[in-house]
Amino acid sequence: QKEVEQNSGPLSVPEGAIASLNCTYSDRVSQSFFWYRQYSGKSPELIMSIYSNGDKEDGRFTAQLNKASQYVSLLIRDSQPSDSATYLCAVRSTGNQFYFGTGTSLTVIP
Amino acid sequence: KAGVTQTPRYLIKTRGQQVTLSCSPISGHRSVSWYQQTPGQGLQFLFEYFSETQRNKGNFPGRFSGRQFSNSRSEMNVSTLELGDSALYLCASSLGHASSYEQYFGPGTRLTVT
Repeated sequence: QKEVEQNSGPLSVPEGAIASLNCTYSDRVSQSFFWYRQYSGKSPELIMSIYSNGDKEDGRFTAQLNKASQYVSLLIRDSQPSDSATYLCAVRSTGNQFYFGTGTSLTVIP
Repeated sequence: KAGVTQTPRYLIKTRGQQVTLSCSPISGHRSVSWYQQTPGQGLQFLFEYFSETQRNKGNFPGRFSGRQFSNSRSEMNVSTLELGDSALYLCASSLGHASSYEQYFGPGTRLTVT
């Protein structure tokens, strides 16, 4: 079982819609969770971090964490074509190890 | 603040050679982590250095090694290169302690082994 799992997609949404990206993790004691965006040919860019159960909002982005279900998600409201990228979920696990999912490819259709 | 810088950006090496990659973290960041990214395996953790000490190590062979200097700059070395080492090598810096574990990535070094 992988430490962090994401649906690889591709996920396609029309411009203006809500994109929902999901991630599950295996280490129950994980404490820190991160979402990164990676454009083709570029390095990952940090979008959000979340440490506590519940929702955290930053502009059009909302991260949701449910530690009991070992589940973290990212919602992108009012999706724009410029949001088209691969989204990586990362988890800081036991011993300060970071694990990344393989990413979900998102395409926003104009 | 300047971001994370990595040099060189591109490298072409031959099997059996060795290579050294360099990473300069964001000013004030004491943790540097190295990752290998390939299309098939995604981002895989190599190791993390914090205050010149290796704090964590991923599941890579001993051909992969690193170090960190007193100014937090870090180098990664790969000896006896294999074709499978062709990848994007990314370094990420962070404060590295409980107040913030957020990692910020550099642009990467694209290594091609022929």
